[in-house]
Amino acid sequence: RKEVEQDPGPFNVPEGATVAFNCTYSNSASQSFFWYRQDCRKEPKLLMSVYSSGNEDGRFTAQLNRASQYISLLIRDSKLSDSATYLCVVKWGSWGKLQFGAGTQVVVTP
Amino acid sequence: DGGITQSPKYLFRKEGQNVTLSCEQNLNHDAMYWYRQDPGQGLRLIYYSQIVNDFQKGDIAEGYSVSREKKESFPLTVTSAQKNPTAFYLCASRADYNSPLHFGNGTRLTVT
Repeated sequence: RKEVEQDPGPFNVPEGATVAFNCTYSNSASQSFFWYRQDCRKEPKLLMSVYSSGNEDGRFTAQLNRASQYISLLIRDSKLSDSATYLCVVKWGSWGKLQFGAGTQVVVTP
Repeated sequence: DGGITQSPKYLFRKEGQNVTLSCEQNLNHDAMYWYRQDPGQGLRLIYYSQIVNDFQKGDIAEGYSVSREKKESFPLTVTSAQKNPTAFYLCASRADYNSPLHFGNGTRLTVT
């Protein structure tokens, strides 16, 4: 089993709709969680950190469920510019080892 | 503006040749990392360095080497011993253990 798993998608979403997807992790000692956005053939860029109580940044909402060991990302009022691959990143260990998921592709259509 | 610069953006080499990828940062970060990304896979850690003159192997270090002689610079050499070197290579840094990673814009290496 992979340490961090994501549904690869693609999630095809009409413009203006809401899309949500999860990321599961296997290490119960995981300490921190992040969502990154990666455009085609570009570097990943930090979208948001995920806090225990859940957090929102504009149209993006991240949740953490430690009991079931997953994090989620919800995008409201999807824009064409939201089309990208969303990478889940989990941190654990004494030096903060980061484990990346393979990404979930989101395609927003007009 | 502070950031991480990787060069070149695209690199083509013949099999059997060593090649060095450059990574320079002006963020004053102590920790620097090299990752490899292949289609359909998550980023995999090649090497990391938490301080000048020190570096550690990551999960897939075989066939690669690094140096960290200056805080700003963390070059990666892909040697002829790396069996499948064609990939997208990403350099990253972070301020401390609790901070997220910042990435350079990557080098796409093609070996034929």
